[in-house]
Amino acid sequence: EPEVTQTPSHQVTQMGQEVILRCVPISNHLYFYWYRQILGQKVEFLVSFYNNEISEKSEIFDDQFSVERPDGSNFTLKIRSTKLEDSAMYFCASSGGGGGGRLVSEQFFGPGTRLTVL
Amino acid sequence: QKEVEQDPGPLSVPEGAIVSLNCTYSNSAFQYFMWYRQYSRKGPELLMYTYSSGNKEDGRFTAQVDKSSKYISLFIRDSQPSDSATYLCATGANSKLTFGKGITLSVRP
Repeated sequence: EPEVTQTPSHQVTQMGQEVILRCVPISNHLYFYWYRQILGQKVEFLVSFYNNEISEKSEIFDDQFSVERPDGSNFTLKIRSTKLEDSAMYFCASSGGGGGGRLVSEQFFGPGTRLTVL
Repeated sequence: QKEVEQDPGPLSVPEGAIVSLNCTYSNSAFQYFMWYRQYSRKGPELLMYTYSSGNKEDGRFTAQVDKSSKYISLFIRDSQPSDSATYLCATGANSKLTFGKGITLSVRP
């Protein structure tokens, strides 16, 4: 079964540094997402992306965050100047266009990148 | 009122028990309903998906949605130790999924 992959699995950075989290969505999916989960808390929506533009974003997704699909396979989340409170597990998800009866709204998650900001 | 509330845990049951996991939601606009399973420090794994009121069965798992009372449930029959994980309900209307906090289930051999 195709899977969403994410790299790195763990990223440690200093406060104020830029980080880029990378994802390879399922190959024929058309919709891409980022979520985050702070330890012990709910999974929270950050942003959705379709047709090379953001389709929806949450209040968390402020000017420090950006997303990009630089080529036909990768989907990235950039945090420009990391803060201590950005420490969390970041999940990429994808959906749609897979055929086999799957609907656009069935989102499949990657294993996550654990971001630690010191 | 929180958008999605999930019964607090943790929950511990003996092997073979029937497990009932429940969530309520507040937004009538939510159109689709999912259950995810999450093992420690892993990504959520999609277990069940439905977009209408009623029951949907897949093996030992049954998802139930009652839109009139905004209530969603997951039943696990003949629970196994391998079912031990955190179960997350999620719902949404457009591209955004809203999750419950999750309940940790432990199935004792």
